[in-house]
Amino acid sequence: SQKIEQNSEALNIQEGKTATLTCNYTNYSPAYLQWYRQDPGRGPVFLLLIRENEKEKRKERLKVTFDTTLKQSLFHITASQPADSATYLCALATYNQGGKLIFGQGTELSVKP
Amino acid sequence: EAGVAQSPRYKIIEKRQSVAFWCNPISGHATLYWYQQILGQGPKLLIQFQNNGVVDDSQLPKDRFSAERLKGVDSTLKIQPAKLEDSAVYLCASSPRRDRVNNEQFFGPGTRLTVL
Repeated sequence: SQKIEQNSEALNIQEGKTATLTCNYTNYSPAYLQWYRQDPGRGPVFLLLIRENEKEKRKERLKVTFDTTLKQSLFHITASQPADSATYLCALATYNQGGKLIFGQGTELSVKP
Repeated sequence: EAGVAQSPRYKIIEKRQSVAFWCNPISGHATLYWYQQILGQGPKLLIQFQNNGVVDDSQLPKDRFSAERLKGVDSTLKIQPAKLEDSAVYLCASSPRRDRVNNEQFFGPGTRLTVL
């Protein structure tokens, strides 16, 4: 069956460290993968998109990698800050589904000062 | 640029009652999505519109849920009758075009539904 899974446990790290979140998928052939941030009581906000033929994407303190052999994406936040505390969602889209996104369950990140 | 607007923000109803949610997407966005997000889970797509046509409603429980997007702009999602398991946040999202590779979606704040 098709699955997309993220770290189910909350991730607690110290300010200034790098946070690494994992997204694994099975039985999908994604065209691209997106990462979103969701704060309590709000809708998700788009952060980054990476295509199947890209290995890595960066935006300021954010970095995403995509390994189609391992069927895994890693999301890194460097020099983390308490303001980075939120739930992070990965979502993938396949070629034959018209841009429909399938979301993982999200990983809650808490950055302590 | 104004974001995606949704109303109401909160709704509490009894089971077997009906409820409707409204969404106004970002101006000019052709594609509109309704998602259901149960606590602790990621959003699950219920229905996707391209202008005023349905692209995907494969996960919409059609015996109780309905949605429309008249004139290809704002949209309503209705549940009738509601069940306890419908308690969730209902998110509306929009994006400029369905066939763009960079299909970033813009989400509204959601409507939190509690069914008692």
